[in-house]
Amino acid sequence: AQSVTQLDSHVSVSEGTPVLLRCNYSSSYSPSLFWYVQHPNKGLQLLLKYTSAATLVKGINGFEAEFKKSETSFHLTKPSAHMSDAAEYFCVVSDWAGTYKYIFGTGTRLKVLA
Amino acid sequence: NAGVTQTPKFQVLKTGQSMTLQCAQDMNHNSMYWYRQDPGMGLRLIYYSASEGTTDKGEVPNGYNVSRLNKREFSLRLESAAPSQTSVYFCASSEGQDSSGNTIYFGEGSWLTVV
Repeated sequence: AQSVTQLDSHVSVSEGTPVLLRCNYSSSYSPSLFWYVQHPNKGLQLLLKYTSAATLVKGINGFEAEFKKSETSFHLTKPSAHMSDAAEYFCVVSDWAGTYKYIFGTGTRLKVLA
Repeated sequence: NAGVTQTPKFQVLKTGQSMTLQCAQDMNHNSMYWYRQDPGMGLRLIYYSASEGTTDKGEVPNGYNVSRLNKREFSLRLESAAPSQTSVYFCASSEGQDSSGNTIYFGEGSWLTVV
């Protein structure tokens, strides 16, 4: 069965320092993986997605993620955090289960300190 | 550039009342979804519609019904609201379920409180 585990429920970083949000998944097939961001009282916005092409995926606002099949990981990184990055981030796996289903992680809340 | 539009944005209901959340997408997507979001639990799928004319239960369907009115619209109905249904509801759509790589697009959310 597919599942997604976001290893940290909260992450705090100082402005200008790197961001690392961790995501592990399990899948029976070759999944697609996504990262979404949710700012307060807003819907979810796509940051980036992996669909079996290049394993290093670049997204919006300087974020990127690397698909590592051997580690079943899809961690999200950014070299330098900005105050506007403060939000909740969701890792999502899309996998075959009769139809394609989207499975969401429980989210990581990123706090950026001035 | 509307994307996915859902209404109402905020609603307070009394226990036992009924209401319908409306959702429409203008991207000509085949698949539509209703999720609920609760603190610490991520998003959980209530119902989905893989294509016009079909609906299926998701992870947490109890207490809800849906209607895929046409390709654009997918409504969620609470027949007899309960406090446990206090949540943020998101409608979403995707091109289809024929590929795992299809992006899912979300509405802005509907905040529902049942007292």
